[in-house]
Amino acid sequence: AQTVTQSQPEMSVQEAETVTLSCTYDTSESNYYLFWYKQPPSRQMILVIRQEAYKQQNATENRFSVNFQKAAKSFSLKISDSQLGDTAMYFCAFSYGSGNTGKLIFGQGTTLQVKP
Amino acid sequence: GAVVSQHPSWVICKSGTSVKIECRSLDFQATTMFWYRQFPKQSLMLMATSNEGSKATYEQGVEKDKFLINHASLTLSTLTVTSAHPEDSSFYICSARVRPTDYEQYFGPGTRLTVT
Repeated sequence: AQTVTQSQPEMSVQEAETVTLSCTYDTSESNYYLFWYKQPPSRQMILVIRQEAYKQQNATENRFSVNFQKAAKSFSLKISDSQLGDTAMYFCAFSYGSGNTGKLIFGQGTTLQVKP
Repeated sequence: GAVVSQHPSWVICKSGTSVKIECRSLDFQATTMFWYRQFPKQSLMLMATSNEGSKATYEQGVEKDKFLINHASLTLSTLTVTSAHPEDSSFYICSARVRPTDYEQYFGPGTRLTVT
């Protein structure tokens, strides 16, 4: 069974500083995708970044980057130059299939508060 | 692009009545949509996968007769909570894939259901 674990229920960071959110997963699949989603107080789920398992290069989207360690099954999210608008719950998610058979499996979430 | 809407955003109903929640893909056709349930400060729990023109696939433990899902067109899926009870009060979120071969999902803004 596929599982996703986020071991940090809550984190805080000062504005303009850098923070790293941790995520580990377990799977026997060889082809899969990993995602970080953000859920601000509005509760709208927003895709932050995605990583294909077959790509060794870590994904980057502006201030957001990941550290993907496939052998260790680790997928952490680094937020640089944190902004107040980054305050949200962040979910790590794993998907091993597409079409009508694939599913997204979410971690427990990490609540991040950016302090002014 | 990849906008998913939900209606209503918030609904209050009396115990024993039924309530319908709509999920629409606004700028793409979605052969597959997903329905999630989320309790406060918790992760998303997949309830069912909705396939256009066929029966939904429910996750283990989800009551099919209580949570009726209909995916009648490529842009609309509905979730009907039948004979609602206070314990059905929750935040319901739908999502969709732009292409069947995609792994990532795009989420609607969610519907808050309160059963009194």
